[in-house]
Amino acid sequence: NAGVTQTPKFQVLKTGQSMTLQCAQDMNHEYMSWYRQDPGMGLRLIHYSVGAGITDQGEVPNGYNVSRSTTEDFPLRLLSAAPSQTSVYFCASSLPGTGGFTEAFFGQGTRLTVV
Amino acid sequence: GENVEQHPSTLSVQEGDSAVIKCTYSDSASNYFPWYKQELGKGPQLIIDIRSNVGEKKDQRIAVTLNKTAKHFSLHITETQPEDSAVYFCAASIRLTGGGNKLTFGTGTQLKVEL
Repeated sequence: NAGVTQTPKFQVLKTGQSMTLQCAQDMNHEYMSWYRQDPGMGLRLIHYSVGAGITDQGEVPNGYNVSRSTTEDFPLRLLSAAPSQTSVYFCASSLPGTGGFTEAFFGQGTRLTVV
Repeated sequence: GENVEQHPSTLSVQEGDSAVIKCTYSDSASNYFPWYKQELGKGPQLIIDIRSNVGEKKDQRIAVTLNKTAKHFSLHITETQPEDSAVYFCAASIRLTGGGNKLTFGTGTQLKVEL
């Protein structure tokens, strides 16, 4: 039972390069989201999706794109990497739950450095 | 939007002592308050949660309390052990239209349990 799988685990990019962070879950969860974690700032929501074909912005969406063509996959695209995007990125998934009370399962994270 | 404040940022206790971490939230629409533990190099993992219609919840050495009027909630760990050393995050959740919940995280508490 893999849960939430993120690839790659580590990545170094040059400023201006683009890349896609992959996230896949095998729990048939409808809800998926991307967070970034920076020292002293906790986890901040970048984008989220409540189901295939539906995405929405979180609190820090600028510079990132997402799409959700299947229930299982939720890739995060960096269009033109900037040093400010150096961070650890986490993908999470959950079921809608009754009343919205549902556990979010996190992947192991992708550590991205932009030089 | 929701704002979650968490204190302290670091906490050092002796093995066997209790640890308390406190959080406040701003949006009265938040109805679910999970706590996550993050070990080094791993993604956050849910350890306990509480719904807005409950004042206290216990699970072995871990307890969470919620004061809706004051908009604050706390994590209590009793009889701390070295394996409790980790970063702990509180979160406040608002239910999304269409399912799922939107989590806003605190900035984290680094707990160190010393022998």
